[in-house]
Amino acid sequence: GDSVTQMEGPVTLSEEAFLTINCTYTATGYPSLFWYVQYPGEGLQLLLKATKADDKGSNKGFEATYRKETTSFHLEKGSVQVSDSAVYFCAPSTGNQFYFGTGTSLTVIP
Amino acid sequence: NAGVTQTPKFRILKIGQSMTLQCTQDMNHNYMYWYRQDPGMGLKLIYYSVGAGITDKGEVPNGYNVSRSTTEDFPLRLELAAPSQTSVYFCASSPREAKNIQYFGAGTRLSVL
Repeated sequence: GDSVTQMEGPVTLSEEAFLTINCTYTATGYPSLFWYVQYPGEGLQLLLKATKADDKGSNKGFEATYRKETTSFHLEKGSVQVSDSAVYFCAPSTGNQFYFGTGTSLTVIP
Repeated sequence: NAGVTQTPKFRILKIGQSMTLQCTQDMNHNYMYWYRQDPGMGLKLIYYSVGAGITDKGEVPNGYNVSRSTTEDFPLRLELAAPSQTSVYFCASSPREAKNIQYFGAGTRLSVL
């Protein structure tokens, strides 16, 4: 069945550092790809998405490109801020179902 | 702008007790979902609904029941709580025209002792 493998955390970075969180997936169909973010004490929120190969999703300085050839959707940000501290989930989706990764906890220190 | 509201936020149950986790959304979304999140794991889909009166099993439905009598409400029922059901439960909803964009509640943390 469909599944997703996400880089394990926790990840600790200094403010203004470069961030990469790796995500690869397996899917029988042609999924849409999503990154969700969970801030402390809150539910998940959509961060960005891409629906077809080579699409780049972007939001709040984060980017991820749909790489069909490597079945990957890595999340990147050039300069992280303390406010980016959260848990990040990669989630391919086919049909009515999402397949969430285990989440990567990010802590950004001043 | 309430969005998706879950109650309670926390609950401790004894083995064999029953309870209902409440979920309501005020965005008139057709689709609603229940997930559980175990420590160090991703979210697993328990049940989902594509509209009032229609429910379907997800990946881990055993031990749970749901109903969808209205568009707004999607309660999750645990009939005989077991320690394996200790988890954080999230409810989510999405609109028909963008069903892949889900809006989540803040979660219910449940412990079964």
